Amino acid sequence: GAGVSQTPSNKVTEKGKYVELRCDPISGHTALYWYRQSLGQGPEFLIYFQGTGAADDSGLPNDRFFAVRPEGSVSTLKIQRTERGDSAVYLCASSPIETVFSGANVLTFGAGSRLTVL
Amino acid sequence: GENVEQHPSTLSVQEGDSAVIKCTYSDSASNYFPWYKQELGKGPQLIIDIRSNVGEKKDQRIAVTLNKTAKHFSLHITETQPEDSAVYFCARKGDTGRRALTFGSGTRLQVQP
Repeated sequence: GAGVSQTPSNKVTEKGKYVELRCDPISGHTALYWYRQSLGQGPEFLIYFQGTGAADDSGLPNDRFFAVRPEGSVSTLKIQRTERGDSAVYLCASSPIETVFSGANVLTFGAGSRLTVL
Repeated sequence: GENVEQHPSTLSVQEGDSAVIKCTYSDSASNYFPWYKQELGKGPQLIIDIRSNVGEKKDQRIAVTLNKTAKHFSLHITETQPEDSAVYFCARKGDTGRRALTFGSGTRLQVQP
C-alpha cells in the first residue's frame, strides 16, 4: 500500500482482556518496528523485525507482550491480561532494508492504534 | 546509555521568527540523528536527518547541526509558519546496541500568527 496501515485505530478494552493490534507495512519494506507512545512522551521502542524474525525484542516490557510477523509482511502485536498502564498509542513503522544497513534508518510510521484499558 | 534528552518541552514563537530545539545524547557510538514531526492524530514523519560525519545539513527552512564533541544536535526552523505547529522529536541510533531509533521526549512548537 501507499503507507503503513494500522488497525484498529481505536480499541477500548477492560482490564484483564486480550488485545491484538495489526500493522500492514509498506510493500517491500523488510524491517518493521513497534513503538509505544504515552501521552506527552516520545515513542518508546518495543520490538524490531527483520523479515519474519524478531531481531530485537529488548523493548517489550514483560511477557504479556508478544509480536509476530509470520510471512514477513503483516505484523500483530498481542497483549495478554491487559492492565490500565498499557493504555497508550501503539505505533508501527517500516523501513526498506537499504536504509537499515546504511545506518540512516528512515522509518515510515502509521497513524497508530490508540489502546484504552478501563 | 542510549537515551536522548530534548529541550525545551514547549516552545511558542511568533510567525516569521526562528525556532531552535536541542537534544543531547551520551552514547558516543551514536551515528545517525533524525528529526520527526508529529501532527495531531498522526504518526511521526521524518523531516530531516544527519549522519555523524556531517556537521550541518539544510533543507529549505529547516536545518540540523551536530556537535559530536559536545554530543548534542539541534533543529533550526527559520521563518516559522502556523503550519509548523506540531510536536517535534529528535532521535538517535548507533551501530552497536539497539538497532532501532531512540526518541527524545518531544517539543511542542506553537507558531502564533
